[in-house]
Amino acid sequence: SQELEQSPQSLIVQEGKNLTINCTSSKTLYGLYWYKQKYGEGLIFLMMLQKGGEEKSHEKITAKLDEKKQQSSLHITASQPSHAGIYLCGAVRTGTASKLTFGTGTRLQVTL
Amino acid sequence: GAVVSQHPSWVICKSGTSVKIECRSLDFQATTMFWYRQFPKQSLMLMATSNEGSKATYEQGVEKDKFLINHASLTLSTLTVTSAHPEDSSFYICSAGRLSENTIYFGEGSWLTVV
Repeated sequence: SQELEQSPQSLIVQEGKNLTINCTSSKTLYGLYWYKQKYGEGLIFLMMLQKGGEEKSHEKITAKLDEKKQQSSLHITASQPSHAGIYLCGAVRTGTASKLTFGTGTRLQVTL
Repeated sequence: GAVVSQHPSWVICKSGTSVKIECRSLDFQATTMFWYRQFPKQSLMLMATSNEGSKATYEQGVEKDKFLINHASLTLSTLTVTSAHPEDSSFYICSAGRLSENTIYFGEGSWLTVV
């Protein structure tokens, strides 16, 4: 089965600082989703990447998928307290477009 | 607003009873929905694939008789935890893919506490 590793597991950054979260797959990714979650609440869709080398941005968040389609990174510029939460990457499983295997998650805290 | 909705958000039940959680796609049809479980401080674990009009497909290690899934319409899937025990207490969350947008939406999740 596909395994997704996220790093770091947790991160504390000062407001205004940039940060990067990585998601590495043991197999080629057919699609990679990034979500944000506050624990015990639903997942907020951030971005979906499908093509090797693809990069997408939304507000201060940029996600990239490498050319080999085995690693994705999520970069937040000038972090704010509102960015705090758990970031999850989810890989599309082959054969079923909407079935996701999730990474281990990265817990982000933003201090003032 | 929410694209996928779950109900209830919170439920407390007694040991031995059954509890049903609903997952609805609000403005699109979903032939397939998915149920996940999340333990404290852990990621989401896929439990099963809910297929409209046919049997659900369960992941390895998930008891199908314990977690009954019904997908009777294109907008509704239900998860019934039967003969619930305290170890079933968890956060359950569903998802549905809106393939026209290449987006997978998640419900708000349901907290189950078995006492």
